[in-house]
Amino acid sequence: QSALTQPASVSGSPGQSITISCTGTSSDVGGYNYVSWYQQHPGKAPKLMIYEVSNRPSGVPDRFSGSKSGNTASLTISGLQAEDEADYYCSSYTSSSSWVFGGGTKLTVL
Amino acid sequence: QVQLVESGGGVVQPGRSLRLSCAASGFTFSSYGMHWVRQAPGKGLEWVAVIWYDGSNKYYADSVKGRFTISRDNSKNTLYLQMNSLRAEDTAVYYCAMGTGRAFDIWGQGTMVTVSS
Repeated sequence: QSALTQPASVSGSPGQSITISCTGTSSDVGGYNYVSWYQQHPGKAPKLMIYEVSNRPSGVPDRFSGSKSGNTASLTISGLQAEDEADYYCSSYTSSSSWVFGGGTKLTVL
Repeated sequence: QVQLVESGGGVVQPGRSLRLSCAASGFTFSSYGMHWVRQAPGKGLEWVAVIWYDGSNKYYADSVKGRFTISRDNSKNTLYLQMNSLRAEDTAVYYCAMGTGRAFDIWGQGTMVTVSS
């Protein structure tokens, strides 16, 4: 159950777009369309932003989008806003009937 | 509204036990799988365990297998995590989360567990 690989940090200016990658293996990210993304502000609980690779729950702005290619999933945030500054985590279901998270990416809005 | 409220956290000595609870409201608890996810101070999220909607299946992270037990009481809309043989590395905020599909849809506010002598 090795953690998925995410960049430790990314940054962008308001209005710009950023992409966060999440790399796993064929036993997790590459093997299932069950990748999800979570936003976590300091001291708060995580919030689901994307499920099943590219689906947005009700209430999540369409500035947030997800995709996957092979063993790597990606979260793209377009039209960056100050309130997007947070930690972001990817997660995947695995072949062991378990779940694994990425190490997290700190997004800084410059 | 949909709500999950954890309780039972605290300070415990290494080797001792603790039971966490998660009270659910605002949705049909008995229809959803439920998870525990933890986050050590300053660290990332770590999945801990899942229990199927009817309690028929349970799966655990290798780091807690054999020490932690997840259970639920659908008549009380409550999820539990029995933690035995606690170690310093189990120190974390423990979140319960409602599972939909293969995602963690709704999260509680978390309860802090500190394992220290």
